[in-house]
Amino acid sequence: GAVVSQHPSRVICKSGTSVKIECRSLDFQATTMFWYRQFPKQSLMLMATSNEGSKATYEQGVEKDKFLINHASLTLSTLTVTSAHPEDSSFYICSARVLPKTGSNYGYTFGSGTRLTVV
Amino acid sequence: KNEVEQSPQNLTAQEGEFITINCSYSVGISALHWLQQHPGGGIVSLFMLSSGKKKHGRLIATINIQEKHSSLHITASHPRDSAVYICAVGNSKGKLIFGTGTRLQVFP
Repeated sequence: GAVVSQHPSRVICKSGTSVKIECRSLDFQATTMFWYRQFPKQSLMLMATSNEGSKATYEQGVEKDKFLINHASLTLSTLTVTSAHPEDSSFYICSARVLPKTGSNYGYTFGSGTRLTVV
Repeated sequence: KNEVEQSPQNLTAQEGEFITINCSYSVGISALHWLQQHPGGGIVSLFMLSSGKKKHGRLIATINIQEKHSSLHITASHPRDSAVYICAVGNSKGKLIFGTGTRLQVFP
């Protein structure tokens, strides 16, 4: 099945530094990748949608200069948290839309998530 | 009111019990997804439904499009089933709208 590999799984960084999170599609081409943020015991919140070769579409309230998304190839999308602050500490997870083998409904496959702690 | 509502929010069961988690939605959908999130955070897609019923091992998912309702059933529950189960609906724009999740704990 379609697999998305997300790295790193955990990262601790100092305030003011930048952190890059990678999501790679291993056995399929991910034309669309979704980036989510999840606070403890809450549901996933969509941050942005990235399409290969074009600019990401950010959800309302998400700072595009703070959360840089790059989707330069069909197998790699990255999220860079720039000038990280403690309030950016959260669980970040990517998801790729998977074209169906049959039917017309897209499936979705998720990365394993990245727990970011900013100290 | 959330566009996707799940119940119950929390569920405790004894090993072997039959479990049902419900999901109601109020928007038009292309498909409904049941997801499983383990304590480590990773999410696994269990089912994608647009009609009827699907079965995979001890898991059964049903959907009633007219009533905008879906259920996830777990037969012969086991402690390893302990996780958060999330209902999500795909809208016409290809985005997922998530329910708040049901936290399931199965005790031996």
